[in-house]
Amino acid sequence: GQSLEQPSEVTAVEGAIVQINCTYQTSGFYGLSWYQQHDGGAPTFLSYNALDGLEETGRFSSFLSRSDSYGYLLLQELQMKDSASYFCAVRDLGYKLSFGAGTTVTVRA
Amino acid sequence: DAGVIQSPRHEVTEMGQEVTLRCKPISGHDYLFWYRQTMMRGLELLIYFNNNVPIDDSGMPEDRFSAKMPNASFSTLKIQPSEPRDSAVYFCASSPTGVFGYTFGSGTRLTVV
Repeated sequence: GQSLEQPSEVTAVEGAIVQINCTYQTSGFYGLSWYQQHDGGAPTFLSYNALDGLEETGRFSSFLSRSDSYGYLLLQELQMKDSASYFCAVRDLGYKLSFGAGTTVTVRA
Repeated sequence: DAGVIQSPRHEVTEMGQEVTLRCKPISGHDYLFWYRQTMMRGLELLIYFNNNVPIDDSGMPEDRFSAKMPNASFSTLKIQPSEPRDSAVYFCASSPTGVFGYTFGSGTRLTVV
Protein backbone atom coordinates (compact mmCIF):
# COMPACT_ATOMS: atom_id res chain seq x y z
CA GLY A 1 0.00 0.00 0.00
CA GLN A 2 0.87 3.66 -0.06
CA SER A 3 1.37 6.11 2.82
CA LEU A 4 2.11 9.82 2.36
CA GLU A 5 2.83 12.50 4.95
CA GLN A 6 2.60 16.23 4.36
CA PRO A 7 1.93 19.16 6.71
CA SER A 8 -1.70 20.09 7.16
CA GLU A 9 -1.32 23.88 6.99
CA VAL A 10 1.14 26.57 6.00
CA THR A 11 0.65 30.33 6.22
CA ALA A 12 2.86 32.94 4.56
CA VAL A 13 2.75 36.50 3.27
CA GLU A 14 2.62 37.66 -0.31
CA GLY A 15 6.00 37.52 -1.99
CA ALA A 16 7.36 34.89 0.38
CA ILE A 17 8.62 31.38 -0.41
CA VAL A 18 6.87 28.27 0.89
CA GLN A 19 8.16 24.70 0.85
CA ILE A 20 5.72 21.82 1.27
CA ASN A 21 7.42 18.56 2.18
CA CYS A 22 6.11 15.12 1.37
CA THR A 23 7.45 11.81 2.63
CA TYR A 24 6.10 8.55 1.36
CA GLN A 25 6.14 4.82 1.96
CA THR A 26 5.14 2.70 -0.95
CA SER A 27 5.34 -0.85 -2.19
CA GLY A 28 6.06 0.34 -5.71
CA PHE A 29 7.16 3.80 -6.78
CA TYR A 30 7.18 5.27 -10.26
CA GLY A 31 6.83 8.97 -9.63
CA LEU A 32 5.72 11.80 -7.36
CA SER A 33 3.13 14.31 -8.52
CA TRP A 34 1.76 17.54 -7.10
CA TYR A 35 -1.75 18.91 -7.52
CA GLN A 36 -3.38 22.19 -6.55
CA GLN A 37 -7.00 22.47 -5.51
CA HIS A 38 -8.85 25.71 -4.81
CA ASP A 39 -11.90 25.64 -2.54
CA GLY A 40 -14.82 24.10 -4.39
CA GLY A 41 -12.69 23.31 -7.41
CA ALA A 42 -11.08 20.33 -9.03
CA PRO A 43 -7.48 19.22 -8.45
CA THR A 44 -5.20 20.55 -11.17
CA PHE A 45 -1.87 19.00 -12.10
CA LEU A 46 1.26 20.99 -11.23
CA SER A 47 4.27 18.72 -11.66
CA TYR A 48 5.63 15.18 -11.89
CA ASN A 49 9.03 13.85 -10.83
CA ALA A 50 10.11 10.36 -11.80
CA LEU A 51 13.85 10.94 -11.30
CA ASP A 52 15.84 12.61 -8.54
CA GLY A 53 16.34 16.32 -8.78
CA LEU A 54 14.56 19.60 -9.22
CA GLU A 55 11.93 20.40 -11.84
CA GLU A 56 11.07 24.07 -12.33
CA THR A 57 7.88 25.41 -13.84
CA GLY A 58 7.59 29.15 -13.48
CA ARG A 59 7.17 30.14 -9.84
CA PHE A 60 6.69 26.51 -8.77
CA SER A 61 9.43 23.89 -8.44
CA SER A 62 9.30 20.27 -7.35
CA PHE A 63 12.07 18.11 -5.97
CA LEU A 64 12.46 14.38 -5.50
CA SER A 65 14.92 12.19 -3.62
CA ARG A 66 14.02 8.56 -4.17
CA SER A 67 16.66 7.29 -1.72
CA ASP A 68 15.05 9.37 1.04
CA SER A 69 11.45 8.71 -0.12
CA TYR A 70 11.03 12.46 0.03
CA GLY A 71 9.94 15.30 -2.16
CA TYR A 72 8.87 18.90 -1.87
CA LEU A 73 6.97 21.57 -3.71
CA LEU A 74 8.44 25.05 -3.63
CA LEU A 75 6.16 28.01 -4.19
CA GLN A 76 8.05 31.25 -4.88
CA GLU A 77 6.88 34.86 -5.06
CA LEU A 78 3.64 33.88 -3.37
CA GLN A 79 0.49 35.52 -4.64
CA MET A 80 -2.97 35.65 -3.10
CA LYS A 81 -4.23 33.32 -5.83
CA ASP A 82 -1.84 30.63 -4.54
CA SER A 83 -4.07 30.16 -1.48
CA ALA A 84 -5.27 26.60 -2.03
CA SER A 85 -4.70 23.01 -0.97
CA TYR A 86 -1.70 21.19 -2.38
CA PHE A 87 -1.53 17.42 -2.63
CA CYS A 88 1.41 15.14 -3.22
CA ALA A 89 0.63 11.82 -4.89
CA VAL A 90 2.64 8.72 -5.68
CA ARG A 91 2.21 6.59 -8.78
CA ASP A 92 2.59 2.82 -8.83
CA LEU A 93 3.49 0.55 -11.72
CA GLY A 94 0.13 1.14 -13.29
CA TYR A 95 -1.39 4.55 -13.55
CA LYS A 96 -2.83 4.47 -10.05
CA LEU A 97 -2.25 7.65 -8.03
CA SER A 98 -2.49 7.65 -4.24
CA PHE A 99 -2.88 11.11 -2.71
CA GLY A 100 -1.67 12.61 0.53
CA ALA A 101 -4.09 14.39 2.86
CA GLY A 102 -3.18 17.78 1.47
CA THR A 103 -1.57 20.99 2.74
CA THR A 104 -3.67 24.11 3.01
CA VAL A 105 -1.63 27.16 2.05
CA THR A 106 -2.94 30.53 3.18
CA VAL A 107 -1.36 33.63 1.69
CA ARG A 108 -1.77 36.86 3.65
CA ALA A 109 -1.35 40.39 2.39
CA ASP B 1 -10.87 20.89 -25.75
CA ALA B 2 -13.82 20.91 -23.35
CA GLY B 3 -11.97 19.05 -20.62
CA VAL B 4 -13.42 16.22 -18.57
CA ILE B 5 -17.17 16.70 -18.28
CA GLN B 6 -19.12 15.42 -15.30
CA SER B 7 -22.81 15.49 -14.63
CA PRO B 8 -24.68 16.38 -12.59
CA ARG B 9 -22.70 19.03 -10.68
CA HIS B 10 -24.87 18.58 -7.62
CA GLU B 11 -27.12 15.72 -6.59
CA VAL B 12 -29.30 15.51 -3.52
CA THR B 13 -31.08 12.23 -2.99
CA GLU B 14 -32.81 10.31 -0.28
CA MET B 15 -31.27 7.30 1.40
CA GLY B 16 -32.08 4.12 -0.47
CA GLN B 17 -32.35 5.75 -3.88
CA GLU B 18 -30.18 4.87 -6.85
CA VAL B 19 -27.67 7.49 -7.95
CA THR B 20 -25.85 7.58 -11.29
CA LEU B 21 -22.91 9.86 -11.91
CA ARG B 22 -21.65 10.46 -15.43
CA CYS B 23 -18.32 11.30 -16.97
CA LYS B 24 -17.06 12.13 -20.44
CA PRO B 25 -13.26 11.97 -20.62
CA ILE B 26 -11.09 14.05 -22.91
CA SER B 27 -11.02 12.61 -26.41
CA GLY B 28 -7.93 10.46 -26.92
CA HIS B 29 -7.36 9.82 -23.23
CA ASP B 30 -7.31 6.07 -22.70
CA TYR B 31 -7.20 6.11 -18.89
CA LEU B 32 -10.22 7.07 -16.82
CA PHE B 33 -10.32 7.31 -13.03
CA TRP B 34 -13.08 7.74 -10.46
CA TYR B 35 -12.10 9.39 -7.16
CA ARG B 36 -14.10 10.30 -4.08
CA GLN B 37 -13.15 13.20 -1.80
CA THR B 38 -14.28 13.69 1.79
CA MET B 39 -12.85 15.66 4.68
CA MET B 40 -12.24 12.48 6.66
CA ARG B 41 -10.70 10.29 3.98
CA GLY B 42 -9.29 12.75 1.47
CA LEU B 43 -9.00 11.77 -2.19
CA GLU B 44 -9.60 8.05 -2.63
CA LEU B 45 -9.29 6.15 -5.89
CA LEU B 46 -12.39 4.05 -6.43
CA ILE B 47 -11.70 2.44 -9.80
CA TYR B 48 -9.80 3.05 -13.00
CA PHE B 49 -10.15 1.94 -16.60
CA ASN B 50 -7.73 1.56 -19.47
CA ASN B 51 -9.20 1.36 -22.96
CA ASN B 52 -12.65 0.91 -21.40
CA VAL B 53 -11.53 -2.11 -19.35
CA PRO B 54 -11.58 -1.93 -15.53
CA ILE B 55 -8.01 -2.37 -14.29
CA ASP B 56 -8.26 -1.85 -10.53
CA ASP B 57 -11.50 -1.66 -8.58
CA SER B 58 -9.99 -2.37 -5.17
CA GLY B 59 -11.09 1.04 -3.91
CA MET B 60 -14.78 0.46 -4.54
CA PRO B 61 -16.15 0.50 -1.01
CA GLU B 62 -18.77 -2.22 -1.34
CA ASP B 63 -21.17 -3.97 -3.64
CA ARG B 64 -23.49 -0.99 -3.65
CA PHE B 65 -21.00 0.74 -5.94
CA SER B 66 -20.54 -0.19 -9.59
CA ALA B 67 -18.84 1.49 -12.53
CA LYS B 68 -19.00 0.96 -16.26
CA MET B 69 -17.30 2.31 -19.32
CA PRO B 70 -19.28 1.16 -22.35
CA ASN B 71 -17.18 3.19 -24.77
CA ALA B 72 -14.20 5.52 -24.90
CA SER B 73 -16.27 8.64 -24.38
CA PHE B 74 -18.53 7.72 -21.48
CA SER B 75 -18.40 6.24 -18.00
CA THR B 76 -20.89 5.92 -15.16
CA LEU B 77 -20.57 5.37 -11.43
CA LYS B 78 -23.68 3.98 -9.83
CA ILE B 79 -24.59 3.72 -6.16
CA GLN B 80 -27.53 1.53 -5.29
CA PRO B 81 -28.90 1.88 -2.69
CA SER B 82 -27.36 5.15 -1.55
CA GLU B 83 -26.57 5.85 2.12
CA PRO B 84 -25.78 9.10 3.97
CA ARG B 85 -22.12 8.04 4.33
CA ASP B 86 -21.81 8.14 0.54
CA SER B 87 -22.09 11.92 0.68
CA ALA B 88 -18.90 13.27 -0.91
CA VAL B 89 -17.54 14.95 -4.00
CA TYR B 90 -16.96 12.43 -6.76
CA PHE B 91 -14.33 13.29 -9.35
CA CYS B 92 -13.68 11.74 -12.69
CA ALA B 93 -10.23 12.20 -14.27
CA SER B 94 -8.59 11.11 -17.49
CA SER B 95 -5.10 10.77 -18.88
CA PRO B 96 -3.44 9.58 -22.06
CA THR B 97 -0.84 6.83 -21.96
CA GLY B 98 2.63 8.15 -21.17
CA VAL B 99 1.41 11.36 -19.56
CA PHE B 100 1.38 11.28 -15.79
CA GLY B 101 -0.72 14.34 -15.08
CA TYR B 102 -4.40 13.66 -14.78
CA THR B 103 -7.07 16.10 -15.90
CA PHE B 104 -9.92 16.19 -13.40
CA GLY B 105 -13.52 17.06 -14.07
CA SER B 106 -15.36 19.62 -11.95
CA GLY B 107 -16.82 16.90 -9.77
CA THR B 108 -20.28 15.89 -8.60
CA ARG B 109 -21.22 16.92 -5.09
CA LEU B 110 -23.47 14.16 -3.78
CA THR B 111 -25.60 14.61 -0.70
CA VAL B 112 -27.61 11.66 0.59
CA VAL B 113 -30.22 12.60 3.18
